[in-house]
Amino acid sequence: TQLLEQSPQFLSIQEGENLTVYCNSSSVFSSLQWYRQEPGEGPVLLVTVVTGGEVKKLKRLTFQFGDARKDSSLHITAAQPGDTGLYLCAGESDNYGQNFVFGPGTRLSVLP
Amino acid sequence: EAQVTQNPRYLITVTGKKLTVTCSQNMNHEYMSWYRQDPGLGLRQIYYSMNVEVTDKGDVPEGYKVSRKEKRNFPLILESPSPNQTSLYFCASGSGGTFYEQYFGPGTRLTVT
Repeated sequence: TQLLEQSPQFLSIQEGENLTVYCNSSSVFSSLQWYRQEPGEGPVLLVTVVTGGEVKKLKRLTFQFGDARKDSSLHITAAQPGDTGLYLCAGESDNYGQNFVFGPGTRLSVLP
Repeated sequence: EAQVTQNPRYLITVTGKKLTVTCSQNMNHEYMSWYRQDPGLGLRQIYYSMNVEVTDKGDVPEGYKVSRKEKRNFPLILESPSPNQTSLYFCASGSGGTFYEQYFGPGTRLTVT
């Protein structure tokens, strides 16, 4: 069974601070996705990274896929209260017909 | 509006009483999937479907059934629900070539007593 770990599990910071969330596995994934989930709602896709070493930027969010396609990071610059939520990484494995594995999530709270 | 819909949103039932949670998408996506989300365990994939009449087990398929007779619908069936199936369930759909980007429904909170 493929597993994804995320760290930290919880993060509480002040508005304006920077932060990095990590997603790690011993397995190789064909792609890795990041989602944000707010209470009472389904996850919303933020980005998909496919190539080892790939870096994608989405406004104040920077996503990186590890060279070996086993890990990823999400960096938020100058966090805002609107960034508060549960951040989930998900690895897609084509070994099992597009089976997805999710990490347990990082719960971020940005205080004004 | 492009969306994934689930019904019901909330359901309280008793052990052993068969139930179906419906999922429908209007984006003509080939890929559909069911997940359950539990505290501390994250989202775990139950079943997925690459296309009509094609379904595969995810990581936690025991106690669940699915069918994909039409492209837009992917119902989740619990033939004999048990309390350990109390959870928050999400349906998702996606399309793509090299990789699939998933769009999630609003969730169904199921309680089995």
